[in-house]
Amino acid sequence: ETGVTQTPRHLVMGMTNKKSLKCEQHLGHNAMYWYKQSAKKPLELMFVYNFKEQTENNSVPSRFSPECPNSSHLFLHLHTLQPEDSALYLCASSQELRWQEQFFGPGTRLTVL
Amino acid sequence: SQQGEEDPQALSIQEGENATMNCSYKTSINNLQWYRQNSGRGLVHLILIRSNEREKHSGRLRVTLDTSKKSSSLLITASRAADTASYFCATVRNTDKLIFGTGTRLQVFP
Repeated sequence: ETGVTQTPRHLVMGMTNKKSLKCEQHLGHNAMYWYKQSAKKPLELMFVYNFKEQTENNSVPSRFSPECPNSSHLFLHLHTLQPEDSALYLCASSQELRWQEQFFGPGTRLTVL
Repeated sequence: SQQGEEDPQALSIQEGENATMNCSYKTSINNLQWYRQNSGRGLVHLILIRSNEREKHSGRLRVTLDTSKKSSSLLITASRAADTASYFCATVRNTDKLIFGTGTRLQVFP
């Protein structure tokens, strides 16, 4: 396992539920990322944080709300999701925001009913 | 827009054989990276090759980059069952984001 952990590993939720995904990195990195991985589609970058500040929102619907309280923790708050939002959500971190090597967590498998 | 595109989409080989995967991209890049993903897990960084490099080695991995053809290849020599995974290339432009391809699914049979 890498130094990036994600909880929960699996999540099933209804369209009216509110849930949160958590990511923690133990690597002392300054940049953190949320990605969405759907079947047979390229990995999609959702959000980027650098030193706790959001630097990129890749046109993500507002039903996904990120939060970065410090450089080690990243959350993705979920509200009123759609079935097509079912996917593997991956968190990653890197030393700096220079698009070099990224370290990924194991992901949260999300199913929206 | 999608930057990297891997070929083939799927590859099946026997243990001990070599596996070659290719990646093509559309615009100029700063560097190209290869990642591995075991089923339903996170990605693991394998190797990074810069635009001014032509070849890099890491253990049983050999990566080449041809910027004139906008393509890269990943060679895994003497493959093992544990190499079974999906392999992704990701390209980086100057200060732009990491753009991933759809990946090659490699199956290595014992």
